Amino acid sequence: DAKTTQPNSMESNEEEPVHLPCNHSTISGTDYIHWYRQLPSQGPEYVIHGLTSNVNNRMASLAIAEDRKSSTLILHRATLRDAAVYYCILRRGHNNDMRFGAGTRLTVKP
Amino acid sequence: NAGVTQTPKFQVLKTGQSMTLQCAQDMNHEYMSWYRQDPGMGLRLIHYSVGAGITDQGEVPNGYNVSRSTTEDFPLRLLSAAPSQTSVYFCASSSPEGNTEAFFGQGTRLTVV
Repeated sequence: DAKTTQPNSMESNEEEPVHLPCNHSTISGTDYIHWYRQLPSQGPEYVIHGLTSNVNNRMASLAIAEDRKSSTLILHRATLRDAAVYYCILRRGHNNDMRFGAGTRLTVKP
Repeated sequence: NAGVTQTPKFQVLKTGQSMTLQCAQDMNHEYMSWYRQDPGMGLRLIHYSVGAGITDQGEVPNGYNVSRSTTEDFPLRLLSAAPSQTSVYFCASSSPEGNTEAFFGQGTRLTVV
């Protein structure tokens, strides 16, 4: 299974952009890059996913390197509510499991 | 919209007792899975299912059994609970394609004494 590597923790100031990196050097051609986040005492929630092209949605943007060996989740204006653990996960094309790493704990300072 | 429903939310078991954690989804998803999360750790995959009648092991399957008789339900059974199984358990469901969103339940906090 392809693995992902993320920093253990990051800090941000409120209303500033946050760039959360993820390395996935062994990614295969059919792996989708997913990001989930887990707020305190809650189950994980979907943030965004992509395959090759950069993606935007109402929550965040996903920038994918041209060689697909790394990606960056971008929160354009961090709020206190964005404080969570963010997980970068690879999910293969069909009928394959999702495996979580340790994730990045994001702290947002007022 | 119920999404993924887990019951119970909290449970205390004595060592050696058995119990079943329930998970139900109303989105007609073929793919369902169970994870455990120990304090300060990420989620670890226990078992997963790609459809009714089909299950497979994840990273940490020992001590747990699953079955999938319907699309909606995916119960997790602990046959003989051990203190090492104290954890928060999450159930998830999704369509099987890799480009689809997974939905998670709110978790079951299990303590084995």
